[in-house]
Amino acid sequence: DAGVTQSPTHLIKTRGQQVTLRCSPKSGHDTVSWYQQALGQGPQFIFQYYEEEERQRGNFPDRFSGHQFPNYSSELNVNALLLGDSALYLCASLPLEGVNYGYTFGSGTRLTVV
Amino acid sequence: GDSVTQMEGPVTLSEEAFLTINCTYTATGYPSLFWYVQYPGEGLQLLLKATKADDKGSNKGFEATYRKETTSFHLEKGSVQVSDSAVYFCALSVNSNSGYALNFGKGTSLLVTP
Repeated sequence: DAGVTQSPTHLIKTRGQQVTLRCSPKSGHDTVSWYQQALGQGPQFIFQYYEEEERQRGNFPDRFSGHQFPNYSSELNVNALLLGDSALYLCASLPLEGVNYGYTFGSGTRLTVV
Repeated sequence: GDSVTQMEGPVTLSEEAFLTINCTYTATGYPSLFWYVQYPGEGLQLLLKATKADDKGSNKGFEATYRKETTSFHLEKGSVQVSDSAVYFCALSVNSNSGYALNFGKGTSLLVTP
């Protein structure tokens, strides 16, 4: 059973560019969240999608946007990239039963902005 | 706001030593508490969880008890192995109608030497 898959695994972008990261949730999971993990820090919540709508959002600027598709997969878009956006971006999915069953995390996309 | 504070690392132990990683939390509601582990180059894996006061989560020899009176969720293991070397994150989630975001601590790096 495939877990959460993310693509690409690594990405290098230039400051000011735009980037799209992709995530396929674990089979049977319908809720997808995105987290940003800076080097040596804990993951920070960006937003969560459920039923194709943004359900909750963390303290991130509007440059960060997302989308969820009918098959529950999701994209994270970041516009006008800054050097400070360099981080590991983690996608996590939840089953229908909710958070007490624990998120399943992907291995992440390592974004480097130069 | 909701937050988690965990002890600073790195923690270096000899194989078979006793492990304690302290975690305390602040939450406005009644959180669920989690420990996640991150091995080098990988995403986060759920290690254990507790959803209400006095619950004890356990997995792979690790244990943590939800202590509401001290707002703590310390991680313990009686005898660590080299394979336990990883970064450990304490996290909480306050279930709400608006979502299930996880708030993470900064992580504690554990190195177990033979």
